[in-house]
Amino acid sequence: QKEVEQNSGPLSVPEGAIASLNCTYSDRGSQSFFWYRQYSGKSPELIMSIYSNGDKEDGRFTAQLNKASQYVSLLIRDSQPSDSATYLCAVIPGGGADGLTFGKGTHLIIQP
Amino acid sequence: SAVISQKPSRDICQRGTSLTIQCQVDSQVTMMFWYRQQPGQSLTLIATANQGSEATYESGFVIDKFPISRPNLTFSTLTVSNMSPEDSSIYLCSVEPPPPGALGYTFGSGTRLTVV
Repeated sequence: QKEVEQNSGPLSVPEGAIASLNCTYSDRGSQSFFWYRQYSGKSPELIMSIYSNGDKEDGRFTAQLNKASQYVSLLIRDSQPSDSATYLCAVIPGGGADGLTFGKGTHLIIQP
Repeated sequence: SAVISQKPSRDICQRGTSLTIQCQVDSQVTMMFWYRQQPGQSLTLIATANQGSEATYESGFVIDKFPISRPNLTFSTLTVSNMSPEDSSIYLCSVEPPPPGALGYTFGSGTRLTVV
């Protein structure tokens, strides 16, 4: 069973602080990693994709990948109330799979 | 990124009936995917649909229950057959944006299904 694990939260962070979201995956052959944001009642929206070890920054968002530890994280700097949502970690497993395997998501609450 | 139109957006259906969900993309895509999101849960891949071939189903999902059509490179349907209350979920289609390997997968707006 290829699994993606996330802490379901809720994770409560004060406005303006850094929110840190973590994800581990079981399939060592995974090559592609994504973070999606999902507001209640809406479909997932792609935030970041990362394919290589290290950090990838896009505005207030930084994705970090460590394939040796099978660990992906998302940092949100200067958190805003509008960042309050569920954040889904998704992985394309190895072995020729094409679809995404999702974690259960972390519910993030930014406190004004 | 690709724009996906999915319909219906929601429906309430009687148990034992079937519902067909449509997904239309504004560009040609090789692969289309169907996911289910049960209440309070994350997304689970149902099947992958390539044009001109049979859909590939994930463990726990079967063609008799979730038949899929993919008649061309911009359109797909998912049918939820012989529905029971356990099928109450949000169903989402997704595509890989051209070219393959680009940024990420785009999702339709979803179909919220309630079975009574």
